[in-house]
Amino acid sequence: SQQGEEDPQALSIQEGENATMNCSYKTSINNLQWYRQNSGRGLVHLILIRSNEREKHSGRLRVTLDTSKKSSSLLITASRAADTASYFCATDGTGGFKTIFGAGTRLFVKA
Amino acid sequence: DGGITQSPKYLFRKEGQNVTLSCEQNLNHDAMYWYRQDPGQGLRLIYYSQIVNDFQKGDIAEGYSVSREKKESFPLTVTSAQKNPTAFYLCASRPGTTRDEQYFGPGTRLTVT
Repeated sequence: SQQGEEDPQALSIQEGENATMNCSYKTSINNLQWYRQNSGRGLVHLILIRSNEREKHSGRLRVTLDTSKKSSSLLITASRAADTASYFCATDGTGGFKTIFGAGTRLFVKA
Repeated sequence: DGGITQSPKYLFRKEGQNVTLSCEQNLNHDAMYWYRQDPGQGLRLIYYSQIVNDFQKGDIAEGYSVSREKKESFPLTVTSAQKNPTAFYLCASRPGTTRDEQYFGPGTRLTVT
């Protein structure tokens, strides 16, 4: 089952522009995480936001969480060609230890 | 270097053969996970283990088996019962029972013909 659903499925922007990806989920969560995956590689953790937090920053990344709407967004500012990758949101529920991943947003940054 | 290793990177097998994918971590993490990823898709959980000698089925466990005899190792066997085994397999770990981020290995791409 997939709890996190990302939107859009694919995004193409010019270098220097901002990229925004959204994630929606269905059940109560303990935290929400964003991961990045370069083609053919493993996932790399980017940022984790807990259910009692509303916004978090890490370098050029900004994540927001709205638990009332069961949604999160990931903003990458001043994008670079090296940001080209797939981005996944993942949620940990309030019960159990399974992390559920969405289908991902494929970001392409043109130089 | 600390981290998770998966071997081999590419694996080719004939239909009807069982195959075992290796996953080793030296992060001293208690929990380990196996995921399957199909082209253009997200990750689906196959099995997970929170402690040694214990593991739980994930969402798509049919046709797969695991063992967790050592904290560092969590091998995955893809059996001949798995109807569509060609995929990218990812192993991950995280500390104890905390619900923090997972650390991923580089993946094994399995092709069955």
